[in-house]
Amino acid sequence: NAGVTQTPKFRVLKTGQSMTLLCAQDMNHEYMYWYRQDPGMGLRLIHYSVGEGTTAKGEVPDGYNVSRLKKQNFLLGLESAAPSQTSVYFCASSRQVGETQYFGPGTRLLVL
Amino acid sequence: GNSVTQMEGPVTLSEEAFLTINCTYTATGYPSLFWYVQYPGEGLQLLLKATKADDKGSNKGFEATYRKETTSFHLEKGSVQVSDSAVYFCALTRGSYNTDKLIFGTGTRLQVFP
Repeated sequence: NAGVTQTPKFRVLKTGQSMTLLCAQDMNHEYMYWYRQDPGMGLRLIHYSVGEGTTAKGEVPDGYNVSRLKKQNFLLGLESAAPSQTSVYFCASSRQVGETQYFGPGTRLLVL
Repeated sequence: GNSVTQMEGPVTLSEEAFLTINCTYTATGYPSLFWYVQYPGEGLQLLLKATKADDKGSNKGFEATYRKETTSFHLEKGSVQVSDSAVYFCALTRGSYNTDKLIFGTGTRLQVFP
């Protein structure tokens, strides 16, 4: 039981490049979330999903897209990376509304 | 809107000292309150939670009581250890019927020295 895993762990991009961050969970959770963590700002919700095939915008969705084609996977895409997207990205999942969210180890992204 | 305010860090303590990290919130209705901990190089882990007023969450020697009258959820531990050094996040959720989005504070770094 690996919980929530994220790949890659670290990535460097040039401005304008694209990439996809993968989140996988093996707990059969319905809900999945993408957050970004920036110094002095805590974690902010980018996008979330309440089930396979669904996605919704969070607090800071601009510049990101997501997909949930399979229940266990939640992908975060950056179509054209910008230096402002330099951050640590965390994925989380939960079984139902109001239950504990379980976090992955994070992906550190540097956009030059 | 809903928000969480935490005391700024870092909090620096000697081993076996008493710890308090303040957290206050603004929310409509009756949010659930959480403390998450982030150890160096790792993701966040749930430390404790409380879902209604006067509830006390506790785990690993840490405690926090949901105080609706003061809109607070302060984290306390009677005797900290070096291994408690981490960043602590207070959070709340005011989920609608189909989501439980967490709203985080900015985090408080705790450094414990032997």
